[in-house]
Amino acid sequence: DVKVTQSSRYLVKRTGEKVFLECVQDMDHENMFWYRQDPGLGLRLIYFSYDVKMKEKGDIPEGYSVSREKKERFSLILESASTNQTSMYLCASSLIGTSGQETQYFGPGTRLLVL
Amino acid sequence: GQSLEQPSEVTAVEGAIVQINCTYQTSGFYGLSWYQQHDGGAPTFLSYNALDGLEETGRFSSFLSRSDSYGYLLLQELQMKDSASYFCAVPDSNYQLIWGAGTKLIIKP
Repeated sequence: DVKVTQSSRYLVKRTGEKVFLECVQDMDHENMFWYRQDPGLGLRLIYFSYDVKMKEKGDIPEGYSVSREKKERFSLILESASTNQTSMYLCASSLIGTSGQETQYFGPGTRLLVL
Repeated sequence: GQSLEQPSEVTAVEGAIVQINCTYQTSGFYGLSWYQQHDGGAPTFLSYNALDGLEETGRFSSFLSRSDSYGYLLLQELQMKDSASYFCAVPDSNYQLIWGAGTKLIIKP
């Protein structure tokens, strides 16, 4: 079974703090993704990575950065947290492919509250 | 632009059948995926349709009509545990998924 784990289920941070969210997958997947999920908006892609040290912006990268130093680990960084970054953050991984059929496997999510 | 539309909420009775529709607008098309997400849980993959027609997996079936840019998820013999949100998704030109906003399925006893 694919397992994707995220470092925290719940986080409370203050405005301006630097926040690190970590994600680890154990299936040797090339692709890793960070989404945020807000009510009524579905899943919106922040960043994805298709290889170590490679990253691509998604739909809403502003205010975020990522790091992928090892294949199994993908970190999301909020350089200076703001209240509008309060959200559920979901990490996912998948095999690399050329058909769009590759299933994405999700971690349990981190619910971040920025005060 | 690329977008997917699905109803925000659907209500059904335990034991009944329910259909959740999804219409999409994409510059290219590779296939339609469905994911299920229980409250507080992670999305999990249900099905993928690349070709027209109905694909059945137990109580769940998924249908695709590429000419109509339309698909649906059909859930039969509804159980209370099927109460969840259901998302349709399509790959963009970079094979990254674009997601619908999700349909919350409410099941009444």
